[in-house]
Formats: sequence, structure tokens, C-alpha cells
Amino acid sequence: EVKLVESGGGLVQPGRSLRLSCVASGFTFDNYAMHWVRQAPGKGLEWVSGISWKSGSIGYADSVKGRFTISRDNAKKSLYLQMNSLRAEDMALYYCAKDTSTYGTFDIWGQGTMVTVSS
Amino acid sequence: QSALTQPASVSGSPGQSITISCTGTSSDVGSYNLVSWYQQHPGKAPKLMIYDVSKRPSGVSNRFSGSKSGNTASLTISGLQAEDEADYYCCSYAGSSTSVFGGGTKLTVL
Repeated sequence: EVKLVESGGGLVQPGRSLRLSCVASGFTFDNYAMHWVRQAPGKGLEWVSGISWKSGSIGYADSVKGRFTISRDNAKKSLYLQMNSLRAEDMALYYCAKDTSTYGTFDIWGQGTMVTVSS
Repeated sequence: QSALTQPASVSGSPGQSITISCTGTSSDVGSYNLVSWYQQHPGKAPKLMIYDVSKRPSGVSNRFSGSKSGNTASLTISGLQAEDEADYYCCSYAGSSTSVFGGGTKLTVL
């Protein structure tokens, strides 16, 4: 079964950091780009960041550029998102998503991990 | 990186067809045939319905179709069914390893 399982969410104060993880199973992880997509409560989807299969190409949304860092460990079949200087507007459900063979299409999604930013 | 523009809501009766538009710019939708559409039911993760503008993943009903003209992509659902009621999001590659979603459209089946 193809599966993505996110973890690392929780309650964090504004200005602090948090690291999200996503573990993949059921497919050849290092063959595909991976992404983080978030959804604030009651709001729409927002693409956050993506990383190519060998980490050679990385992109960020303007809203997180300079604060968030995406990375992956293909040996551990894991994707990460280091989130620094968190703001109230970063509060959202963070999904890990697998790309297809063309960058920017997300065919497998995890169930998400919730990040709450509040003092 | 401005969000793609979608209507906030559309509605239709069972058996009818509806179309959801997704308007971007010459930097995203207009430049790449990498538009995808996602269906999201409440409390669930999104599901890929259309990719590369008009391709359907295995298992997705042929009632769902996609197209693009200029900076605007469209999702058409024919033969509306009750289970189609959901939120729909378009997404486009925007260059430099970035992507952008639309604001989402709530589909109501009357």
C-alpha cells in the first residue's frame, strides 16, 4: 500500500521552531519529487515547498521563503520541513504529498499533521 | 505567486454538467500544461482528479474532464452525482520549482 505518514505537528509559540517529518512506504521514494501543502482551518490549499528526487531543485512559496527549509533523506524514505520564526498565519494542517513523473502534480497525500501557533 | 482565481461556489442538479474555471497568468497556467485538479471532501485529504490539463488518473470517473485555453483552465463534471459534492482546487506549476493553487470552489449538488 502506498502511504505517507506525517508527524511533528503541535502547539508552538510565535517565533519558535518546529520540524515536520513524513515517512513514505509502498513506492520507490527516491524516484519522485515531494512536497508540503498546507491548509489553514476553514481555508483552501496552499503549496508550501517542493524538493526534487535528488534534492537538486527546491522551491518555496513566497510566504515561507527564508523561514522554512525542506529536505529529504532517501535512505530513510523521509521528507522534512524545518519551520523557523513561526507566525500565527502558519497555523494549518500540513500535508506531505508525492509528486508524479511531472513536477507539480500530487498523486498521493498523507493525512496531515496540525501545527498550531499561539502564545 | 498569487493564487489562481476560482469561483467560490458552483451548483448543479443531479445529471447536469458543471464547469469550474481556474484563471492564472502567463507565468503559470498560460506557460505550462501542468494544471491539475483536486477533489476534497470534508475532513479528508485531497484527491487527484485531473493532471497535465486533461489526463485522468486510473480509477477516476470519465465524467471528469479538463481543458485549458490561454491563462484559464477548466474542470467539467458531467452527469453530476451526489458524491461529487466537495471542494475542488486547481493547481499549476509556476516555474522555478514552485506551484500555486487556486482558492477553491465549493460544489453543491442540489
